[in-house]
Amino acid sequence: EPEVTQTPSHQVTQMGQEVILRCVPISNHLYFYWYRQILGQKVEFLVSFYNNEISEKSEIFDDQFSVERPDGSNFTLKIRSTKLEDSAMYFCASSDSGRPGNTIYFGEGSWLTVV
Amino acid sequence: GEDVEQSLFLSVREGDSSVINCTYTDSSSTYLYWYKQEPGAGLQLLTYIFSNMDMKQDQRLTVLLNKKDKHLSLRIADTQTGDSAIYFCALRGYGGSQGNLIFGKGTKLSVKP
Repeated sequence: EPEVTQTPSHQVTQMGQEVILRCVPISNHLYFYWYRQILGQKVEFLVSFYNNEISEKSEIFDDQFSVERPDGSNFTLKIRSTKLEDSAMYFCASSDSGRPGNTIYFGEGSWLTVV
Repeated sequence: GEDVEQSLFLSVREGDSSVINCTYTDSSSTYLYWYKQEPGAGLQLLTYIFSNMDMKQDQRLTVLLNKKDKHLSLRIADTQTGDSAIYFCALRGYGGSQGNLIFGKGTKLSVKP
């Protein structure tokens, strides 16, 4: 079965450092997403991306965050200057269309710890 | 804003039925989803229901939707130890982008042999 892959699975970084989380969505998918889950809290939507631009973002996705599709396969989330409260599991996801009910496939997550 | 609530834990014996409940506040929700997360794995879509339906059955899974009470449930028949996982309720509101799902905190299902 096709899958979304994410790297790294776990990263520890110092506060103020830049972090890039990488994702390889399923190859024929056109819609890409990032979600995060702070320990003990809900999975929260960050951003959706289609046709090389952000289609929707949440309040969490401020100027410290950016996304990019640098080539035909990768989709990255960059946090410019990490804060302690950015510690969370970050999930990448993709889907082949924007139709409601269409399956969104999630990766296994990248666990970010900011110290 | 929208809110989705689930109980955090559920423990059942193998062979019994499990019922995982979810309540939500957004009455305009169009699609409601159940995701499963096994240890060390991503979120796997189990099933979904459209808001004009009351029930959907898919093999051992039955989804019930009570729109009046804004209550969604997932019933797993003949629960197996392999069903042990965290189950997330999620919904998409009317007009929202398909990817902007609102999740609950997840219910951890433990199945005892």
